[in-house]
Amino acid sequence: RKEVEQDPGPFNVPEGATVAFNCTYSNSASQSFFWYRQDCRKEPKLLMSVYSSGNEDGRFTAQLNRASQYISLLIRDSKLSDSATYLCVVNPHSGYALNFGKGTSLLVTP
Amino acid sequence: NAGVTQTPKFQVLKTGQSMTLQCAQDMNHNSMYWYRQDPGMGLRLIYYSASEGTTDKGEVPNGYNVSRLNKREFSLRLESAAPSQTSVYFCASSEGDGAYNEQFFGPGTRLTVL
Repeated sequence: RKEVEQDPGPFNVPEGATVAFNCTYSNSASQSFFWYRQDCRKEPKLLMSVYSSGNEDGRFTAQLNRASQYISLLIRDSKLSDSATYLCVVNPHSGYALNFGKGTSLLVTP
Repeated sequence: NAGVTQTPKFQVLKTGQSMTLQCAQDMNHNSMYWYRQDPGMGLRLIYYSASEGTTDKGEVPNGYNVSRLNKREFSLRLESAAPSQTSVYFCASSEGDGAYNEQFFGPGTRLTVL
């Protein structure tokens, strides 16, 4: 079983739509969780960290369910500029390694 | 403030050739990393350096060597390139423990091994 699994998509949504991405992780001892964004042929960039209490940054909301080993990202009022690949990232244990999911592709259309 | 820079941006090698990928950061970060990204595989950690003077293997270290030249620079060397090493290579850095702190990535090096 892969350590971090994501639905690869693509998710095609119209501008203004709400879209949700899900991610599951296999190691129950995982310590930290992130969503990174990667534009086509560019480097990944941190979108947001994911905290146990859930967190929100503008149109983006991330949630963590430790019991189900599940992370989600909700994007409200989608913009054309949100088109990208969203990477779910998990630290499986203390230390420096991060496990990256393969990413979920989002295309927002006019 | 350039962040993380990588050279070269593109490279084509023949099987058996060697090369070094260069990475530098100007953010005074302690930790640096090398990843490779292949289609359908996600990013995988090759090597990392938690601090100047230390290096450790990641998930896929075979066929690679690294050097933490100083606090700013972390290079990745392919001694005898193989077609399986065709990939996009990203260097990253973080202020402290990269498992808890944001990792900043360079623009990547696209390597093709024929």
